[in-house]
Amino acid sequence: GAGVSQTPSNKVTEKGKYVELRCDPISGHTALYWYRQSLGQGPEFLIYFQGTGAADDSGLPNDRFFAVRPEGSVSTLKIQRTERGDSAVYLCASSPRTSKNTGELFFGEGSRLTVL
Amino acid sequence: QQQVKQSPQSLIVQKGGISIINCAYENTAFDYFPWYQQFPGKGPALLIAIRPDVSEKKEGRFTISFNKSAKQFSLHIMDSQPGDSATYFCAASKRGGAQKLVFGQGTRLTINP
Repeated sequence: GAGVSQTPSNKVTEKGKYVELRCDPISGHTALYWYRQSLGQGPEFLIYFQGTGAADDSGLPNDRFFAVRPEGSVSTLKIQRTERGDSAVYLCASSPRTSKNTGELFFGEGSRLTVL
Repeated sequence: QQQVKQSPQSLIVQKGGISIINCAYENTAFDYFPWYQQFPGKGPALLIAIRPDVSEKKEGRFTISFNKSAKQFSLHIMDSQPGDSATYFCAASKRGGAQKLVFGQGTRLTINP
C-alpha cells in the first residue's frame, strides 16, 4: 500500500525566499506530524495535527514557520524568509487515531531543503 | 535541552556479532520508548518499542532492555548482518494523545562482512 508521500524530495532556494513543502499521509491516518532532521542529528518535533487542527505547534522554531491541513488529509509546511539555518530534511509522519494506535509513526522519505 | 542521550555515535561490528546501542533519558514522565532504523535517503522506520511495565522485549534478533530506576534502555542486535547497517535512533514520548517523540542523536552502525 502507499506510504507517506512528500514533495518535493529536494528543494534548493535562496536566502529570503518562501518555500512550501507538501505531505500526503497514509489514507485513513488522522494524526499528522512534521519533524526536522539536521545533518547527523535525530529528528526534532515541529508540529502535530489531529484532523484539521494543529493540536501542538510547540516545536515550530519561530513565526516564519507555519503549517496547515485544511481538509484533514494533505498538509503543507510553509517557511517564510528562509535562512541558511533552515537547511535540513523535513520529515512528515502519520499515524492512525490516537486511541487505536500502537504508538508507531509512519515516516515519509522527507523533503531536503537547502537554503543558499 | 537534550532529553535523550544516545551512545555510541558510530559502531562497527563483525558479521555475526552483537551490536549494542545505549540510551539514557531524563524525563520520568516518558512512558514509551521506541527504536527507529533509518537507511540513507529514507525516513525512519519503527524497529521495536517498549513501555516501562516490562524490563525486556524481544522481536527476532532485536531486543530492548529497559532499566527504569537508572532511566536507561538499550538495543541489542544479535547475529548482526550487513543488511543491518543503518542509523539507529532511540526515542521517548509521554503518555497522551500525541506521539511527540524526543529522539537521540543516532548511532551509525556498520556491519562488516
